[in-house]
Amino acid sequence: NAGVTQTPKFQVLKTGQSMTLQCAQDMNHEYMSWYRQDPGMGLRLIHYSVGAGITDQGEVPNGYNVSRSTTEDFPLRLLSAAPSQTSVYFCASSRPRPNSPNSPLHFGNGTRLTVT
Amino acid sequence: ELKVEQNPLFLSMQEGKNYTIYCNYSTTSDRLYWYRQDPGKSLESLFVLLSNGAVKQEGRLMASLDTKARLSTLHITAAVHDLSATYFCAVDETQGGSEKLVFGKGTKLTVNP
Repeated sequence: NAGVTQTPKFQVLKTGQSMTLQCAQDMNHEYMSWYRQDPGMGLRLIHYSVGAGITDQGEVPNGYNVSRSTTEDFPLRLLSAAPSQTSVYFCASSRPRPNSPNSPLHFGNGTRLTVT
Repeated sequence: ELKVEQNPLFLSMQEGKNYTIYCNYSTTSDRLYWYRQDPGKSLESLFVLLSNGAVKQEGRLMASLDTKARLSTLHITAAVHDLSATYFCAVDETQGGSEKLVFGKGTKLTVNP
């Protein structure tokens, strides 16, 4: 089982460049989300989606866009990269709660982004 | 706004010893998670706690939840080196809705021989 797949694993950008972090899951999960992890900060929610065509903002959405055209994919776009966006980005997915109350978030392996 | 506090943030312990990591949260929630993260790796789910008084155990780790006190504990029994990792608690800030988790800052556990 592939689970949650993130690409690329590593990326270096220059300030002002744009890019898309890819996330795909093969578990037919309705919920998908993006978190960023910074040293000493835990993980913080950027954007999330409860299903295809539906997205919403999390705690730290500025500078990022998302879309959810299919159940499987949830790309994260950096519009104009800034050094403050240097971080490790994790995509996660889960089943809807009424069906699977004990289901945790399943995380991808992360994308390590450096903005210079 | 939901806030999640873990303590301690750093924990160095000897093999064979017991210790407890604490996770306090500020507002009502109906779901709490514990995750483990090894350096440079993703997060691995350890426990999902849903109700007051819930207790779950896996090997040397036991997690409990007191929703009235808004407190969860992760107890480590007879620690071994393989338990060295960073442990996160996370609380769902929605009830019955989407999985919007607020994470603690993590407890970096080092188990020394």
